[in-house]
Amino acid sequence: GAVVSQHPSRVICKSGTSVKIECRSLDFQATTMFWYRQFPKKSLMLMATSNEGSKATYEQGVEKDKFLINHASLTLSTLTVTSAHPEDSSFYICSANRGPQETQYFGPGTRLLVL
Amino acid sequence: AQSVTQLDSQVPVFEEAPVELRCNYSSSVSVYLFWYVQYPNQGLQLLLKYLSGSTLVKGINGFEAEFNKSQTSFHLRKPSVHISDTAEYFCAVSALEQTGANNLFFGTGTRLTVIP
Repeated sequence: GAVVSQHPSRVICKSGTSVKIECRSLDFQATTMFWYRQFPKKSLMLMATSNEGSKATYEQGVEKDKFLINHASLTLSTLTVTSAHPEDSSFYICSANRGPQETQYFGPGTRLLVL
Repeated sequence: AQSVTQLDSQVPVFEEAPVELRCNYSSSVSVYLFWYVQYPNQGLQLLLKYLSGSTLVKGINGFEAEFNKSQTSFHLRKPSVHISDTAEYFCAVSALEQTGANNLFFGTGTRLTVIP
């Protein structure tokens, strides 16, 4: 149990377009979902935390208008990179847990390349 | 706030040799500790975690880690590595916030390369 999926696994888009990434908990209900960004050869940087039905909490320095997060149900959260630019190219990873103090289970990641 | 230090960015080791990946943390409150492994172009997989109880924690793939509160360390060990253990390893820490959410703070990772 505790499987998290992401779609798509990789996406290439033109500068100025928007890209949506889905994160799903397949076999459990996720109270909280987390979005991370990983730069090459770097650690994971937490971007935002989202709880179902409420607004996401963004980390300092993360533009909420650029990285739109929607947590519409207990099994689905989406990250939309709006008006993407080449500097947004990165590996985006989501995670989910069943509740406070529960282990986070990570998705396989989405590699975004903006041309 | 919490922070994690992984001093070794790269660790090369010969196949079937033992390995230790170091992790130190700092926190003003009690923490939970985790080790995750990341294979190329994949997400993170939980290796093991320490929440409470015995300070020696056994995980998957033959890995284990020991929580040392006085030294604020949570080093990862394996007595005999395989080629398939080549990956990036991340140590992470979390503390229970007032809201109940448990944000993870990651170290910068250690690249383990197993040499045939």
